[in-house]
Amino acid sequence: EVQLVESGGVDVQPGGSLRLSCVVSGFTFDPYVFHWVRQPPGKGLEWVSLINWDGTTTYYTDTVEGRFSISRDNSRNTLFLQLNNVKIEDTAVYYCARSLGEYSWNALDSWGQGTLVTVSS
Amino acid sequence: EIVMTQSPETLSVSPGERAILSCRASQSVGSNLAWYRQKPGQAPRLLMYHASTRAAGVPARFSGNWSGTDFTLTIDGLQSEDFAVYYCQHTYSRPPWTFGQGTKVEVK
Repeated sequence: EVQLVESGGVDVQPGGSLRLSCVVSGFTFDPYVFHWVRQPPGKGLEWVSLINWDGTTTYYTDTVEGRFSISRDNSRNTLFLQLNNVKIEDTAVYYCARSLGEYSWNALDSWGQGTLVTVSS
Repeated sequence: EIVMTQSPETLSVSPGERAILSCRASQSVGSNLAWYRQKPGQAPRLLMYHASTRAAGVPARFSGNWSGTDFTLTIDGLQSEDFAVYYCQHTYSRPPWTFGQGTKVEVK
């Protein structure tokens, strides 16, 4: 069974840092592109970041560029999102998700259950 | 950044009837468009990719179509689990791969 399990969501003050993790199981981690998507409470989905299969290519939405960093550890089947200098507007449930198909940039076909990040003073 | 605009915001439909959801891209994305369904308290689920290809396990009552920059998701014979929020997302070229703002399908 394909599983993605996020962790690391906490309450944090503006300007603080935290790291989210997503451990996957049930499939071979290495050949897949992964994403982070977030959803503020009661609002819609926002695509945040992408990393390709070997970690050499990454992309970010403009509002997090320079503050967030996506990475992966293929030996541990784990995806990460480092959040630095967080802002109130970063408050959201953060989902990790897999792209459909090996070595493929495609729609997001498997999702974790999400982890909540709350930024407040 | 490509802007995805969904309409309507809310669609009221009776169980068993048809729902047609729309999504428009601000520029050409080819057929690189996905649809997701999100039930309350759950993660989104992929329904359709490449505009008209059903994802694994998605029932045949879901169909997708497009013309130019306009995309539609049709749900025939709405069932109880279909009353949810639906999002479109483009997967064209380089990210950001933006989502639409969502359409809520509610019971009429």
